[in-house]
Amino acid sequence: DAGVTQSPTHLIKTRGQHVTLRCSPISGHKSVSWYQQVLGQGPQFIFQYYEKEERGRGNFPDRFSARQFPNYSSELNVNALLLGDSALYLCASSGEDSKETQYFGPGTRLLVL
Amino acid sequence: GQSLEQPSEVTAVEGAIVQINCTYQTSGFYGLSWYQQHDGGAPTFLSYNALDGLEETGRFSSFLSRSDSYGYLLLQELQMKDSASYFCAVRGYSGAGSYQLTFGKGTKLSVIP
Repeated sequence: DAGVTQSPTHLIKTRGQHVTLRCSPISGHKSVSWYQQVLGQGPQFIFQYYEKEERGRGNFPDRFSARQFPNYSSELNVNALLLGDSALYLCASSGEDSKETQYFGPGTRLLVL
Repeated sequence: GQSLEQPSEVTAVEGAIVQINCTYQTSGFYGLSWYQQHDGGAPTFLSYNALDGLEETGRFSSFLSRSDSYGYLLLQELQMKDSASYFCAVRGYSGAGSYQLTFGKGTKLSVIP
């Protein structure tokens, strides 16, 4: 079975632009979470979606938004990019039988210039 | 809110045993997880403790004391491939039937010959 997949793997944007990151969870997983990981830090929770509904939101500005589609894939959108948004963006999925386990994708490395 | 403390770096010799400690402060606690992340890679799940005591999975063991808000990850028979960053993460309730993970800043483990 395929793991969590994310696209693109790398992205370079300039300040003020917007970006859309994509994630496909493990087959059968209905919960998708997004994390931001700055170099040298642990992942920081951004959003959780379950059955297409937002179930949790971390301490991030409204420039960050997300959605989940009927096939449980998800998008993370960031508007008005700032230099400080440069980070590794991780998507993780979890299943009904192991809710405490997050399976992470390889991430999208975003560089904002 | 939630906060976690863990050592930033640990060095150990191949074949030895190393313990990585984690203390946490949280308004709602549902479990302590450990994740491993190699440079350039995604975090991978190692263990989860919801109740006090020791959980063993192969060379890795994890311990939790809820009364002390403390846990540790124990790695035995260290191998060079164990060189990575290790994160403790608290699972807390974020409302609407959702749980979110709050990660520590990570402990960089270097295994030397």
